[in-house]
Amino acid sequence: GEKVEQHESTLSVREGDSAVINCTYTDTASSYFPWYKQEAGKSLHFVIDIRSNVDRKQSQRLTVLLDKKAKRFSLHITATQPEDSAIYFCAASMNQGGRALIFGTGTTVSVSP
Amino acid sequence: EAGVTQSPRYAVLQEGQAVSFWCDPISGHDTLYWYQQPRDQGPQLLVYFRDEAVIDNSQLPSDRFSAVRPKGTNSTLKIQSAKQGDTATYLCASSFMANQDTQYFGPGTRLLVL
Repeated sequence: GEKVEQHESTLSVREGDSAVINCTYTDTASSYFPWYKQEAGKSLHFVIDIRSNVDRKQSQRLTVLLDKKAKRFSLHITATQPEDSAIYFCAASMNQGGRALIFGTGTTVSVSP
Repeated sequence: EAGVTQSPRYAVLQEGQAVSFWCDPISGHDTLYWYQQPRDQGPQLLVYFRDEAVIDNSQLPSDRFSAVRPKGTNSTLKIQSAKQGDTATYLCASSFMANQDTQYFGPGTRLLVL
């Protein structure tokens, strides 16, 4: 079955700098790649996603890149702010009308002033 | 629009006790998922439904776990005889199949089995 590996377990950045989180997946049939943010003691909050028909998607300070050949996708956060501090999870699924997500292990992002 | 709601928020059990978790998805969402999130790990699927039908329960420990969604709306996840290894947060999520699959998560139920 599909496996998603999240390469950075922790990431510390200074406020205003950029942060990049990298994930790889194993199943070439995967075509939907969402990212979720989990603040301390809270549930998962959807932040952005990308589908396999595009290789880049941007939403405000967040950009997701997808490299299907390398089976790799990444989340880029620009101009980081203290409120970006959280655990970020990448995930993958086969987008055939509501499929379960396979999650990575999470990256703890800490933004310091 | 109300989000996914879950209850209880916390549960503490002794090994061997039973517990039920309840989930109310976003109104109109036809697909409902139960995930288990052990501490410091990513969520892992247990089971998911489309309307009232089970689509995938291959990761559900069937000897002790059961899940139902009888009317295609609310769902209940039950652990018959809890073990310490079941200690985790149980997350419910819902999505609308035709709406590009974005899954929205509830607040979760934190379970501690002593």
